[in-house]
Amino acid sequence: DGGITQSPKYLFRKEGQNVTLSCEQNLNHDAMYWYRQDPGQGLRLIYYSQIVNDFQKGDIAEGYSVSREKKESFPLTVTSAQKNPTAFYLCASSGDTGNTEAFFGQGTRLTVV
Amino acid sequence: AQSVSQHNHHVILSEAASLELGCNYSYGGTVNLFWYVQYPGQHLQLLLKYFSGDPLVKGIKGFEAEFIKSKFSFNLRKPSVQWSDTAEYFCAVPFGGRDDKIIFGKGTRLHILP
Repeated sequence: DGGITQSPKYLFRKEGQNVTLSCEQNLNHDAMYWYRQDPGQGLRLIYYSQIVNDFQKGDIAEGYSVSREKKESFPLTVTSAQKNPTAFYLCASSGDTGNTEAFFGQGTRLTVV
Repeated sequence: AQSVSQHNHHVILSEAASLELGCNYSYGGTVNLFWYVQYPGQHLQLLLKYFSGDPLVKGIKGFEAEFIKSKFSFNLRKPSVQWSDTAEYFCAVPFGGRDDKIIFGKGTRLHILP
């Protein structure tokens, strides 16, 4: 089955620790995205990548980092610099940003204590 | 700046009522437009999309949306809602060209009373 896999589904970390969220897709999509979903704020774009070895900051990139070494993978690191990291994180991919729909993973709920 | 606005943050309706959720975007060029739905505990999934042609588009589960270019709007409608339509709805616009990214609205949480 083609799709996007995010792991883990739930993640707990202590304050001050970096944590990496995994996102893998087997849809052969070029574009991949990371969003953060908070109640009442919708989906806010963190980072996006249109091609391997290239990525751009979204609207709320501070405190996050990404890499795109392979087409299938777009991991997100939540660093200790992120002031409010507890949130629901969604990864998505699309074949062509403007002309096709985005497909979403099941999300990772990160709780920092 | 590019933005997508959804006017209704929380809507409560009774079954069989008609639904209209507003969406406006700020972009003067050619746009593609999407509505996504997130049912409780499920993935975000596409409800419908507009690329070109007939500005009235039909999606899954009886939903439709109308693109009105002069108003920069893409409102979602359903003539008669069901309890199973309880979900969160997001309008999305891919802003292409040099700054190629998909921007989502803040979402509308729809609650249908049985």
